[in-house]
Amino acid sequence: GENVEQHPSTLSVQEGDSAVIKCTYSDSASNYFPWYKQELGKRPQLIIDIRSNVGEKKDQRIAVTLNKTAKHFSLHITETQPEDSAVYFCAGFFSGGYNKLIFGAGTRLAVHP
Amino acid sequence: NAGVMQNPRHLVRRRGQEARLRCSPMKGHSHVYWYRQLPEEGLKFMVYLQKENIIDESGMPKERFSAEFPKEGPSILRIQQVVRGDSAAYFCASSPVGLAGGYNNEQFFGPGTRLTVL
Repeated sequence: GENVEQHPSTLSVQEGDSAVIKCTYSDSASNYFPWYKQELGKRPQLIIDIRSNVGEKKDQRIAVTLNKTAKHFSLHITETQPEDSAVYFCAGFFSGGYNKLIFGAGTRLAVHP
Repeated sequence: NAGVMQNPRHLVRRRGQEARLRCSPMKGHSHVYWYRQLPEEGLKFMVYLQKENIIDESGMPKERFSAEFPKEGPSILRIQQVVRGDSAAYFCASSPVGLAGGYNNEQFFGPGTRLTVL
């Protein structure tokens, strides 16, 4: 069935280090993969997304890679800062006739000064 | 252009009461999605609506939950006879076109309604 798995569930890094979060999905027809950042008590905010016709997309310190063959995609944050601390969710759009995003369980990222 | 609006932001109900959650999509957006987030968990899809139509309600519990998006006014998520397990944050998102419609279909989230059932 439709499923998105996300790892790790928690991630702790030192300021300035890189952070990588990985997701796998089950529907080979999926073609849209957004990433959301959610700070405590706030709404999820779209930070970057990727579509299946590209393998990589970058926006300043954030990049996302997609491997359609292996059905996995990753979020890379370089030069992490304390304000990057939040919960990050990956999602996949499942094409089974309807429009809905299936979210991963989230990764709690802590960046320590 | 105001973002997605939700009200109330916090709602307290006693077991057995009804909860009504409202969502006004961004201007120009005709697609609305409702998600539920339990404490310390991810977002679970509930229902996808367009104006006057429910497109996909596969994530919605069969009983006590209903949703609508009328021609005029906000989308409403209604929970009848609430139970403690309904306590969660309910997020609404909107997009200008459906995700299958190609580009310019990102979902933007509202601030959420935090429902507490006593």
